[in-house]
Amino acid sequence: SAVISQKPSRDICQRGTSLTIQCQVDSQVTMMFWYRQQPGQSLTLIATANQGSEATYESGFVIDKFPISRPNLTFSTLTVSNLSPEDSSIYLCSVGPLNSFTEAFFGQGTRLTVV
Amino acid sequence: AQSVTQLDSQVPVFEEAPVELRCNYSSSVSVYLFWYVQYPNQGLQLLLKYLSGSTLVESINGFEAEFNKSQTSFHLRKPSVHISDTAEYFCAVSVYNNTDKLIFGTGTRLQVFP
Repeated sequence: SAVISQKPSRDICQRGTSLTIQCQVDSQVTMMFWYRQQPGQSLTLIATANQGSEATYESGFVIDKFPISRPNLTFSTLTVSNLSPEDSSIYLCSVGPLNSFTEAFFGQGTRLTVV
Repeated sequence: AQSVTQLDSQVPVFEEAPVELRCNYSSSVSVYLFWYVQYPNQGLQLLLKYLSGSTLVESINGFEAEFNKSQTSFHLRKPSVHISDTAEYFCAVSVYNNTDKLIFGTGTRLQVFP
């Protein structure tokens, strides 16, 4: 199994600022994933973070808005830039489910409110 | 592209009644299927999964799901629900031999009433 520590757990940010979310895994993994869960909705994959290469973004998400770092095999950060109220969501990091484990493991999430 | 459909956004039931949460996926290739549960103000937890073998999979808290390849479905069932089962349930699919990406359904809110 994998234990994922994600922080901050929540934050309230002003419009136009940025928030960086950190994700630490207790074992080495090749790929880490960042998801967004908008209020009352399901999870949408933002990007896949591979160690040693650029992140791969899903349709509708761009690097300028969601820059990702992956400095080593246990850590990643997601920055949400130039915040607007529409960015208010829960952001989750994840590992798995198959290349490394037989299921996906998720962090507890970061609840972001933009005011 | 793969997609997951959960037809019921909300399912209200009384305690001790049976429940079925429906999940259909669109893929012509082999897939792995998962049900995740999200209790209020908590993170996602794996409820059960189908990777291979028996098409009927069970969780430790009485839920079961059956993989039906011909109908591309993975419905979740429980013969008798408890109030503590109140949560959001997400069906998810990952395509075999593809990336580890999970595609999630829109979720079903199970509300159990006394």
